[in-house]
Amino acid sequence: GESVGLHLPTLSVQEGDNSIINCAYSNSASDYFIWYKQESGKGPQFIIDIRSNMDKRQGQRVTILLNKTVKHLSLQIAATQPGDSAVYFCAENLNAGNMLTFGGGTRLMVKP
Amino acid sequence: DAGVTQSPTHLIKTRGQHVTLRCSPISGHKSVSWYQQVLGQGPQFIFQYYEKEERGRGNFPDRFSARQFPNYSSELNVNALLLGDSALYLCASRLTGGGTEAFFGQGTRLTVV
Repeated sequence: GESVGLHLPTLSVQEGDNSIINCAYSNSASDYFIWYKQESGKGPQFIIDIRSNMDKRQGQRVTILLNKTVKHLSLQIAATQPGDSAVYFCAENLNAGNMLTFGGGTRLMVKP
Repeated sequence: DAGVTQSPTHLIKTRGQHVTLRCSPISGHKSVSWYQQVLGQGPQFIFQYYEKEERGRGNFPDRFSARQFPNYSSELNVNALLLGDSALYLCASRLTGGGTEAFFGQGTRLTVV
């Protein structure tokens, strides 16, 4: 498959360790935030979302943290697995509007 | 259940030609958005259609146009193709216009030569 991102920041972790991927968003008025996972040759896959009235939300093995003060979003993956290797994008949505604005992406590499 | 389907999966066109890309949203979803993803970058918003009306347009030239049909499927048209139009074109389906989960298709890889 084709590579999604050739020159993205890369996070390399050992299988079983926890991963933290960070993102700075741009618009303080954004009220909905999403993390996507994109594997080579595929479209972005929804992982987890959060609204601006919350600061933390947990899913299965994933947690999204939102710090509105510094406009920072993070994705925590517990017990990282080789199947988690992909490019991860954060996205923000303004006031239930129509446009998602994506961050630049981080490549996660999981070493067995 | 079928997810978002896009066709074709790959396409090679020559500069100056025209291209039409197609998208079928998830059943029951009324909103379709189009994004362009250049290699190494995040997706960039092109258009959103909701209930067959254009509800948003990104910073793309008039060579890009789209429409949504009564069955909520959508077409993205690009005229007078440039080398820089080479990208992965993604379609996203949403239940409503915004503020809800957006589900992406596999994309159409367009190469302009």
